[in-house]
Parts: sequence; structure tokens; C-alpha cells
Amino acid sequence: EPEVTQTPSHQVTQMGQEVILRCVPISNHLYFYWYRQILGQKVEFLVSFYNNEISEKSEIFDDQFSVERPDGSNFTLKIRSTKLEDSAMYFCASSPGQEWADTQYFGPGTRLTVL
Amino acid sequence: AQSVTQLDSQVPVFEEAPVELRCNYSSSVSVYLFWYVQYPNQGLQLLLKYLSGSTLVESINGFEAEFNKSQTSFHLRKPSVHISDTAEYFCAVRRSYNQGGKLIFGQGTELSVKP
Repeated sequence: EPEVTQTPSHQVTQMGQEVILRCVPISNHLYFYWYRQILGQKVEFLVSFYNNEISEKSEIFDDQFSVERPDGSNFTLKIRSTKLEDSAMYFCASSPGQEWADTQYFGPGTRLTVL
Repeated sequence: AQSVTQLDSQVPVFEEAPVELRCNYSSSVSVYLFWYVQYPNQGLQLLLKYLSGSTLVESINGFEAEFNKSQTSFHLRKPSVHISDTAEYFCAVRRSYNQGGKLIFGQGTELSVKP
């Protein structure tokens, strides 16, 4: 069964450094998403991406965040200058978008630790 | 705006006992409802969803949830749990008729099944 994959599984970085989290969505899906979960808190929506542009973003998704689909398979989240509070589990998801009731399929997540 | 409340952060039960994980939502527009499960060290997996039609929906592993519009609830139940059901369960909503729309999650309920 096709699945969403994410790399790396765990990323440790120093505050102020740039990180890129990578995702490979399911191949025929059209919508792509990033969510995050700070330890002990809810899973929060960050951004959705469709037709090579951001379709929706949350207040969390400020100028230090960016997303890109550099080729036909990868979907990346870049954090330009990491802060301690960016430490979280980041989940990528994708959905087919071909029905009015499409389902989002999630990857296993990348645990980001900012020191 | 939508919000989701999961009333129990932790639910310990013995194997073969019944369980109910509670979920209430708030929304000014029509929504779809979802339950996702997260097994240890894994991503979020869709367990079941309510889109329309019968208010009782079932998963392949014996869970069921009932949509109650008047009480704005979508509680998850299983008549007899197994050790393997130990996981974190997330209730989520999404605006209906909104392809690619974001999911709004509850805080999660940690189900711990003891022998």
C-alpha cells in the first residue's frame, strides 16, 4: 500500500540554524500538508499546498517557514532560523483531492530538536 | 472556526473490557469527523471517518463511532479491547465540501490496555 515517507526521522540542530524537512507524498495525490505537534500539545496545522502554491497557512507559519515542491516527488518544509520553540514532531500529509471527501494520509513524522 | 475537545487525556482499561473515548466538537459550519490512531513511534493512521449518511461508522478492527449532531459529539467505542489497541487516539474535524482543507485536532487520548 502506498504511504507517505519522511526524512530524517530525527533532526537535531542548533538555534539559529536552517533545517529542511523532507517528505515524499503518495504519488497520485494533489494536496500536501505540514502539521506539527509540540510535546504534550495538539497536532497543529501549519500549511497546505496545491497546484504549486500555498492554499492555506496558519498564524504559526510565519516568514521563517517556507515550503517547496522542487520536483515531482518531494515536498519540503524549510525553517530558516530555528528557535527553541520550533522543537516538535513535524508531520507531512497528502490527500488525493479528487473527491469532495478526500482523506489525508500522514507520514511517520520528523522529530526536530533545537538546542 | 472549529474546535475539538477530547475529554480524557488518558484512559487505562483491562484487556477485553469495553472502552469509550470521548470527542466533542464546535463548529459554525458543517464538518466531517475523523478518528486517527498513533501507535508508538509511528505516524497518524486514519481509523474511521464520518462524512454523511449513517451516523454510525465502523473500522476494520472493531472500533465504531457515532455522530451525534445535537450533542456535537463523535465518541469512539470498542466493545472489547486488545493489548494491541494501546495507542494515542486523535479526534479531528474538517469543514465539509472543502477539498484540501485543514484538519483541526483534539488533544489526543492515550489508551492504555493492561493484561
